[in-house]
Formats: sequence, structure tokens, C-alpha cells
Amino acid sequence: GDSVTQMEGPVTLSEEAFLTINCTYTATGYPSLFWYVQYPGEGLQLLLKATKADDKGSNKGFEATYRKETTSFHLEKGSVQVSDSAVYFCALFSGTYKYIFGTGTRLKVLA
Amino acid sequence: DTEVTQTPKHLVMGMTNKKSLKCEQHMGHRAMYWYKQKAKKPPELMFVYSYEKLSINESVPSRFSPECPNSSLLNLHLHALQPEDSALYLCASSQEDRVRTEAFFGQGTRLTVV
Repeated sequence: GDSVTQMEGPVTLSEEAFLTINCTYTATGYPSLFWYVQYPGEGLQLLLKATKADDKGSNKGFEATYRKETTSFHLEKGSVQVSDSAVYFCALFSGTYKYIFGTGTRLKVLA
Repeated sequence: DTEVTQTPKHLVMGMTNKKSLKCEQHMGHRAMYWYKQKAKKPPELMFVYSYEKLSINESVPSRFSPECPNSSLLNLHLHALQPEDSALYLCASSQEDRVRTEAFFGQGTRLTVV
């Protein structure tokens, strides 16, 4: 079945450091891919999405490119801020209302 | 407007109580979802309604009873819950669309069963 694998956390970075959170997926067909962010005590917010191969999703300085050849959708940001501290979920839409989530990666940014 | 509104934000209930969680969206989405999220885990799908009909029931215990009164509202009725049902309950909605496939989530209801 479809699945999403994310790098284990927590990831601890200093402010202004470069961020990469790895995400790979297994799916039949061409799923839509997403990154969601969850701040403490809140729901999930859609951060960015990509619907086909080579699409780049971007938002708030975060980027991810849909790589079909490596089945990856890695999240990157050039300069993280303390306010980016949260849990990040990679997800795919596998059709028929099924969203498959990765296990989540906790990011902690230190001032 | 990409908002999904959930009430209440927090709920504490005893094991013999009956309570309801409410969810509302005005984005014209025809699919609405209930998820359960335990601490440090991803959300787990419970139910999906499509065009106000129950489409998916992930073998959730009958002490959880969903209801979709209309295309904008989704309720989750709770009865005789167990302490292990304590979790964050998330509502979400999405378009019935091949391109706009993203789901939008509410802020959640933090449920504690005592």
C-alpha cells in the first residue's frame, strides 16, 4: 500500500541555519504531495503542496520539489526562525479520501 | 476563506457522559473528515463523509457516532468513552476535485476522558 517515510526527529537548529527534512513515498500512480505544519496545541496547517512531477511547492520561505525519479518531497528552508519550531508532516493523497501521513518531524530552533 | 472551525477547543468528560464535537466549514467542500491524533503521532482517519453520506468508517468503536446534518456541518457524538480515547480530535474538509486535493484542518478539540 501507499506509505510516507520521514526522517526521525527531533531536529534542533540554530536560528538562520539551513533546514532539510527528508520525505520519501511509495505510491501507485501520481499522488499529490503535501507538507503540513502543526504548532503546539493546534491543528494541522497546509504549508505547501505539489500535484505532479517536478512541481515545486513554496510558502513562507519553505520549498519542496516533487521528484518522481527518487520518490521524494524533501522540505527545505534557507534560514529558519524560532517561530518555525513545530512538527512537520509529509503527506500524500492516494485517492478515495485517503491521506497518508508520515510520522512527523519535530523541529526546534534555538535563538 | 480556508477555515474549518471546531468547537469546543477543550473538553473534559466522564466515562458515563454524552457529549458532541462540532465542525463547520464554508468553503463549499463536499468531503469532511474526522481524525484522531494521539501525542507525538500523525492523525489517524476515523470517518469520511462525502456529499453528506458516510463513505469511510475505519472500524471505529460504536461509542463514536458521526453525523453530517448538511454539507457545512459535521458532528461527532461521544458516549461511554474510555480514558484511552483522550486525544486531539481533528476535523478536516476537502474539495471533490482531481487537482485541489489538499485537506484543510480545524484547530482540533482536545478531549480528556476521566
